[in-house]
Amino acid sequence: QLVLTQSPSASASLGASVKLTCTLSSGHSSYAIAWHQQQPEKGPRYLMKLNSDGNHSKGDGIPDRFSGSSSGAERYLTISSLQSEDEADYYCQTWGTGFYVFGTGTRVTVL
Amino acid sequence: EVQLVESGGGLVQPGGSLRLSCAASGFTFSTYNMNWVRQAPGKGLEWVSYISSSSSTIYYADSVKGRFTISRDNAKNSLYLQMNSLRAEDTAVYYCARDSYGDCVVDYWGQGTLVTVSS
Repeated sequence: QLVLTQSPSASASLGASVKLTCTLSSGHSSYAIAWHQQQPEKGPRYLMKLNSDGNHSKGDGIPDRFSGSSSGAERYLTISSLQSEDEADYYCQTWGTGFYVFGTGTRVTVL
Repeated sequence: EVQLVESGGGLVQPGGSLRLSCAASGFTFSTYNMNWVRQAPGKGLEWVSYISSSSSTIYYADSVKGRFTISRDNAKNSLYLQMNSLRAEDTAVYYCARDSYGDCVVDYWGQGTLVTVSS
């Protein structure tokens, strides 16, 4: 069964960096994912697609502060130089034949 | 600029029906696959349904299969979701979402429309 696992929360200080993890379930370590950001009271926003080799392609207007990397079944989103507007929920997303899957999301708090 | 604008949400009684619409602009709608994704109050994102660019391929989440119908009108640049036999657990904000070209990555989202199922 294709499942994406995310930690519920993460926090870091203004100007610091934070690294979020999305873990693919066993047998699915080659899958690509996408990262999405959802600021409070807003619709989601696509950040990037992240392949198993770490190559990633970002959405329109996504700042360089957002980057992705991969290791085995883990997919990472790193936010550098944290800003107040980065306080949001972050979801990973992948797909199988006939369905899409979202992770449970990680809430990032900027201290 | 890509824009996806949902409409049609509202309050409906359990067992009732509702039809959501999504008006697309800023891209060649007929060449993109589309989705509906929902978010219950205080919860995460849940994929609901997918339709290919030509409507030849359609998928549903198990939670809505047999009750919801996705469709599109490429001449009107519009996506639809017909929701029947609604339940309290269908209460959510429903988002229209575009897949990136030739991929299964959602790359644009609408602002959402709220559906409340309650007596």
